[in-house]
Amino acid sequence: AQSVTQLDSQVPVFEEAPVELRCNYSSSVSVYLFWYVQYPNQGLQLLLKYLSGSTLVESINGFEAEFNKSQTSFHLRKPSVHISDTAEYFCAVSERGVGGSYIPTFGRGTSLIVHP
Amino acid sequence: NAGVTQTPKFRVLKTGQSMTLLCAQDMNHEYMYWYRQDPGMGLRLIHYSVGEGTTAKGEVPDGYNVSRLKKQNFLLGLESAAPSQTSVYFCASSTPTSGGYNEQFFGPGTRLTVL
Repeated sequence: AQSVTQLDSQVPVFEEAPVELRCNYSSSVSVYLFWYVQYPNQGLQLLLKYLSGSTLVESINGFEAEFNKSQTSFHLRKPSVHISDTAEYFCAVSERGVGGSYIPTFGRGTSLIVHP
Repeated sequence: NAGVTQTPKFRVLKTGQSMTLLCAQDMNHEYMYWYRQDPGMGLRLIHYSVGEGTTAKGEVPDGYNVSRLKKQNFLLGLESAAPSQTSVYFCASSTPTSGGYNEQFFGPGTRLTVL
């Protein structure tokens, strides 16, 4: 069975500083990994995803995540954050389940708070 | 495209009342999901559907029922609301690809308070 652990419930950081949001997963089979972002009072939207191939994936707004199979991790990083990056970030894992469906499991979320 | 829409956006119920939350998607997605989001708990899957006329239980199904009579709609019902069901409810949809992964598209949420 798949599970996701986001190690930090809250990460405060100053503007223009680097940030890393940690995500570890457990699964017995090959997985697909996702990071979603939730801005205040909105639904979740996909930030980036790892399906296969290069272990480093990037988003259009400067975030990147690296898939590390040996450490079962998919940490999210950004070298310089902006105030507008303040949001809740969710890591999710999807593996093949009953009947061939892929139902994602979400972590509990990390609240990124960027201070001026 | 409107994407995924949810009705209503806000609702206040008294304990024991019933209500139905409506989710609609216009992307012709096969899969639809209902989640609840509570502080510190992340997203928890209530029920999901992998196609019209089919539903399955998720992690926290008790106290909820669902129906998927049309491909584009997924209804979540609370037969007898309890204060523990106070939460923000999100609907999502996705479609399986040849690779099998599921990128989900989320609605804006319904904030439900049960007094």
